[in-house]
Amino acid sequence: NAGVTQTPKFQVLKTGQSMTLQCAQDMNHEYMSWYRQDPGMGLRLIHYSVGAGITDQGEVPNGYNVSRSTTEDFPLRLLSAAPSQTSVYFCASSWVGASAGELFFGEGSRLTVL
Amino acid sequence: KQEVTQIPAALSVPEGENLVLNCSFTDSAIYNLQWFRQDPGKGLTSLLLIQSSQREQTSGRLNASLDKSSGRSTLYIAASQPGDSATYLCAVAPSGNTPLVFGKGTRLSVIA
Repeated sequence: NAGVTQTPKFQVLKTGQSMTLQCAQDMNHEYMSWYRQDPGMGLRLIHYSVGAGITDQGEVPNGYNVSRSTTEDFPLRLLSAAPSQTSVYFCASSWVGASAGELFFGEGSRLTVL
Repeated sequence: KQEVTQIPAALSVPEGENLVLNCSFTDSAIYNLQWFRQDPGKGLTSLLLIQSSQREQTSGRLNASLDKSSGRSTLYIAASQPGDSATYLCAVAPSGNTPLVFGKGTRLSVIA
């Protein structure tokens, strides 16, 4: 059982570069989301999706784009990386609703922006 | 706006001790409350989910209680073990269709 798979696990970028963090789940979950976790700030929601073709902004969406063309995949795009985007990013999914059921997390992607 | 607070931020206990982790939330109108565990360098793992109509949930040595009227939940860990060392996060669902609101967690160390 793969669950929620995030790639890459580690990435170093220079300021201004763009990249995509990949997230895939094999549980046929409708709900997928991206969080960032920073020391002292806890988990903050970036974007989320309640189904294919539907996305919405979370608490800290600026500088990030998402799309949901399939049920399985929910990539997070950094358009022009900034040092403030240095963080650990987590993808999470749930079978129904945004919080009606158990939330499954990936292992995280650690991003450093120089 | 719903806010979730977990105090203390860190806790250290000797092995074998029973312990309680606390979670408080500002708006009692919740859909459910979830407790998660996070090991260093890893993602979060769901431990217990309590629906708003429930008072408690149990899984092995873990028992979570919910008191909506007072805006509180507790996670009780019986006979703690070094393997229980991790960060425990509480999260509240304002509704079934809105994302969870997380606390910042309590970092637990169980000393052998």
